[in-house]
Amino acid sequence: DGGITQSPKYLFRKEGQNVTLSCEQNLNHDAMYWYRQDPGQGLRLIYYSQIVNDFQKGDIAEGYSVSREKKESFPLTVTSAQKNPTAFYLCASSIGSRRTMNTEAFFGQGTRLTVV
Amino acid sequence: DAKTTQPPSMDCAEGRAANLPCNHSTISGNEYVYWYRQIHSQGPQYIIHGLKNNETNEMASLIITEDRKSSTLILPHATLRDTAVYYCIVRSNFGNEKLTFGTGTRLTIIP
Repeated sequence: DGGITQSPKYLFRKEGQNVTLSCEQNLNHDAMYWYRQDPGQGLRLIYYSQIVNDFQKGDIAEGYSVSREKKESFPLTVTSAQKNPTAFYLCASSIGSRRTMNTEAFFGQGTRLTVV
Repeated sequence: DAKTTQPPSMDCAEGRAANLPCNHSTISGNEYVYWYRQIHSQGPQYIIHGLKNNETNEMASLIITEDRKSSTLILPHATLRDTAVYYCIVRSNFGNEKLTFGTGTRLTIIP
């Protein structure tokens, strides 16, 4: 089945530790995105990547890092510099750089990170 | 800097049509209107999108005003499973552009 997969679904870490969230897609999409969602809030863009080996900061990139070494993978590292890392993290992908009538984004089911 | 404005919350009776408005007064000519919804603790799900003509699919209808400055998502016969947060976004037809969500409308279907 084609889709976008985030793992794990729940993640617990101690304060001060870096943690990496996985996001994999087999949709052959060029673009991938990471969002953070806090309780009762909307989605805020952390980083996005328009094509492999390239990525841009979103609205709240501080304390996060990403890589895009492969088209199908866009891991997000939550570093110890992120002051409030506990949140629901969502990954998405969309078709790519060419013009098309349908650029819908597909989302994973999210990773709920709790830092204690 | 979301480009859309939506009411924070709405209620609708089960079985009735739910009409969710969205203002996008600064939309440009090559931008589409997309709607997504997010059921609690899940990833958002695509519903429908359109450029200037009204659109309908198995989930919903999208009505876009002639000046394209606003639109309405219509769920024709709302069920309890339609309770969710609904997001309206505008996006060009370059599929890899920055994708920004606003705060959406929390729709509650009342039994």
